[in-house]
Amino acid sequence: EVQLVESGGGLVQPGGSLRLSCAASGFIFNNYWMSWVRQAPGKGLEWVANIQQGGGEKYYVDSVKGRFTITRDNAKNSVYLQMDGLRAEDTAVYYCARVTVGTDYFDYWGQGTLVTVSS
Amino acid sequence: DIQMTQSPSSVSASVGDRVTITCRASQGISSWLAWYQQRPGQVPNLLIYAASNLQSGVPSRFSGSGSGTDFTLTISGLQPEDSATYYCQQAKGFPITFGRGTRLEIK
Repeated sequence: EVQLVESGGGLVQPGGSLRLSCAASGFIFNNYWMSWVRQAPGKGLEWVANIQQGGGEKYYVDSVKGRFTITRDNAKNSVYLQMDGLRAEDTAVYYCARVTVGTDYFDYWGQGTLVTVSS
Repeated sequence: DIQMTQSPSSVSASVGDRVTITCRASQGISSWLAWYQQRPGQVPNLLIYAASNLQSGVPSRFSGSGSGTDFTLTISGLQPEDSATYYCQQAKGFPITFGRGTRLEIK
């Protein structure tokens, strides 16, 4: 059974940093691109970042470029999102998602971790 | 960036009804489109990929069609558990973008 479990969310002040983690199981992790997608309270879905199987290729939404970094550790079956320079508008539930092979759909999602940016 | 416009933003229908949700892309995306269902308090669930392919485990009352810029999600024979918000998503290129969602209420 595919499982994605996020952790690392919490309350942080504007300008602060957080590192989100996503532990994957139930599939061959290094065969898949992985992604982070967020959802602000009461709002829709927003794609944040994707990372290639080997970690060498990454893509970001413009609003987080230069502030967020996606990485992965295939030995630990984990993907991470380092978030620096956090802003109030980054407040959201952050979902880790598996990307379908050869395309950019999201076939499995974690339960999400809430990030709140507030003073 | 490719903008995805969904309509309507909300719809109300009865059990057994047929409902159609539309999604329009700001430029052609071939069939690089997915539909997701998000029930209240739950995570999104992939329903349809490549515009018309039913994801494994999804009931056959869900169907998708379209290509280019115009797409539809049809739910035939509505069930109470279909009460949710539905999102379209384009996978033609980065940045990946979603529609703003359509809230489906079951009367």
